[in-house]
Amino acid sequence: DAKTTQPTSMDCAEGRAANLPCNHSTISGNEYVYWYRQIHSQGPQYIIHGLKNNETNEMASLIITEDRKSSTLILPHATLRDTAVYYCIVRVALFGNEKLTFGTGTRLTIIP
Amino acid sequence: ETGVTQSPTHLIKTRGQQVTLRCSSQSGHNTVSWYQQALGQGPQFIFQYYREEENGRGNFPPRFSGLQFPNYSSELNVNALELDDSALYLCASSSIGGEKLFFGSGTQLSVL
Repeated sequence: DAKTTQPTSMDCAEGRAANLPCNHSTISGNEYVYWYRQIHSQGPQYIIHGLKNNETNEMASLIITEDRKSSTLILPHATLRDTAVYYCIVRVALFGNEKLTFGTGTRLTIIP
Repeated sequence: ETGVTQSPTHLIKTRGQQVTLRCSSQSGHNTVSWYQQALGQGPQFIFQYYREEENGRGNFPPRFSGLQFPNYSSELNVNALELDDSALYLCASSSIGGEKLFFGSGTQLSVL
């Protein structure tokens, strides 16, 4: 699986959009971009994933650049409950491949 | 709430002992993966079970072993505990080929 690079930490004001960047310059054509987050004392939680098109769900939006070498996770209206470590992961979605390779992620702190 | 439950939530062992951790997967999920998360690090893949067989393994020694039962619940066994085995152990379930993993809240193991 391709390696990802994320900032170690970020702050965002409550109610504002939180934009979390991720670089994955060595991504392969068949690798998806996944985002998970981990709130303190809990297991990671799936947020969103995509291949090359932008994606949106009830939690967030995922913007993938045209060359697929980077992406941005957007939390449109951050709340205090969004304070967590956010992991950007790239993986091949193969039958039977449920392995995720986590880095150290971005620690996002929402400021009241 | 993911429907993945782990027990116990906390455990203290001494070096050289053996430990068994348990996981009940979400209803309808037939694949279980185990991850180790050291303090300040992202989770690291240990292994995955599908239909009671190991189906992928990370870079962990043979003293880490597992089982999956016909009801898809799972156990992680660690023999000859070492101090570095102190970590949060996470279980995740999915349907085979599923797009996302559902994690439990983990078992915090301390080895003294």
